[in-house]
Amino acid sequence: DAKTTQPNSMESNEEEPVHLPCNHSTISGTDYIHWYRQLPSQGPEYVIHGLTSNVNNRMASLAIAEDRKSSTLILHRATLRDAAVYYCILRDANSGYALNFGKGTSLLVTP
Amino acid sequence: EPEVTQTPSHQVTQMGQEVILRCVPISNHLYFYWYRQILGQKVEFLVSFYNNEISEKSEIFDDQFSVERPDGSNFTLKIRSTKLEDSAMYFCASSEQQGRIQPQHFGDGTRLSIL
Repeated sequence: DAKTTQPNSMESNEEEPVHLPCNHSTISGTDYIHWYRQLPSQGPEYVIHGLTSNVNNRMASLAIAEDRKSSTLILHRATLRDAAVYYCILRDANSGYALNFGKGTSLLVTP
Repeated sequence: EPEVTQTPSHQVTQMGQEVILRCVPISNHLYFYWYRQILGQKVEFLVSFYNNEISEKSEIFDDQFSVERPDGSNFTLKIRSTKLEDSAMYFCASSEQQGRIQPQHFGDGTRLSIL
């Protein structure tokens, strides 16, 4: 699997937007970009995925750079409940069944 | 919203004993997974299961581990002779299909403590 790089931690104020970056400079043309998050004492939770175009769903938005070497997960208004570890994961046709979790970004949201 | 449920939430077992962790995947899902997370470390893939067969397993999933779908709703992970290093959170997951666009849905895990 192509490698992803994320900051170890980020901090945000409640009700402000949060932009969580992910670098994936060795991404291949068929890799999908997935984001999961893990709230404290819970299992990972699927957030969003995309290939080339920006994507929106009820949880977040995913902005993908034109060259696809980076992407940004956007939480439009952070809440205290959004404090979690966020994982950026690439999946291609050869990824098999396993999700390859890295260390992710630990997001702290302060009131 | 349908969810993956795992029991028990916490299991304490003596070293060398067998333990069975139980999961009820989402009902229309066909692919099932186990992951583990040792305290303070990354989530690690153990095994995937489809059509009553293991479809992929990691190096962690050695002969001490086995999985089973004993009926139409449960999916279990058995560790035959537990070791101290098996202490971890174990997460079950399921997906409707397999592939690079399919999300996996996780339960909240079983905390396994080996004494």
